[in-house]
Amino acid sequence: QSALTQPASVSGSPGQSITISCTGTSSDVGGYNYVSWYQQHPGKAPKLMIHDVSNRPSGVSNRFSGSKSGNTASLTISGLQAEDEADYYCSSYTSSSTYVFGTGAKVTVL
Amino acid sequence: QVQLVQSGAEVKKPGASVKVSCKASGYTFTSYTMHWVRQAPGQRLEWMGWINGNTKYSQTFQGRVTITRDTSASTAYMELSSLSSEDTAVYYCARQSMAGIPGDYWGQGTLVTVSS
Repeated sequence: QSALTQPASVSGSPGQSITISCTGTSSDVGGYNYVSWYQQHPGKAPKLMIHDVSNRPSGVSNRFSGSKSGNTASLTISGLQAEDEADYYCSSYTSSSTYVFGTGAKVTVL
Repeated sequence: QVQLVQSGAEVKKPGASVKVSCKASGYTFTSYTMHWVRQAPGQRLEWMGWINGNTKYSQTFQGRVTITRDTSASTAYMELSSLSSEDTAVYYCARQSMAGIPGDYWGQGTLVTVSS
């Protein structure tokens, strides 16, 4: 199972919006609405930010939103803040009843 | 409150095996699936497998990884064999919610270093 493809880095100024893409295949992202997004700060465990493509867990800021079109899912962060600087990983359920993570995207707040 | 507490850091020699534990508290252990994920230094997250009443493993680790659980101790275990330097990584356990959401809670991570 190959990793889902994400851009290596995305940057934006405070207050701006950025979008991180996550491209897979019809056997994972495109085939199921089971895409999750995780935020990871250096030296910390990942934190769930979005599940089932577009649902936010309780306590996650509504500045984070998710969507999907075909084999590509996206995470949008609006009103970018310094605390959003972190690595972001997408994940998808697959046709093999397994999961696969993305390559990871580093978000930099300029 | 839900907590996943993992065992401490390990140093192993190439060819050896390592067994990492993940003790759960604050919820009914047997009702939830547990995932194992690893992250090599500076690298991406890598899904290894899950366990509920059954197990499922990533093809990448098939044959080298064994995930078990002790329901009486509310503890999940991940054993990886035939270690090489490429297995040096932080290993995480992560709970899947009853709604099927993977990673709603994570352990603190266990660093496994493989070095001769």
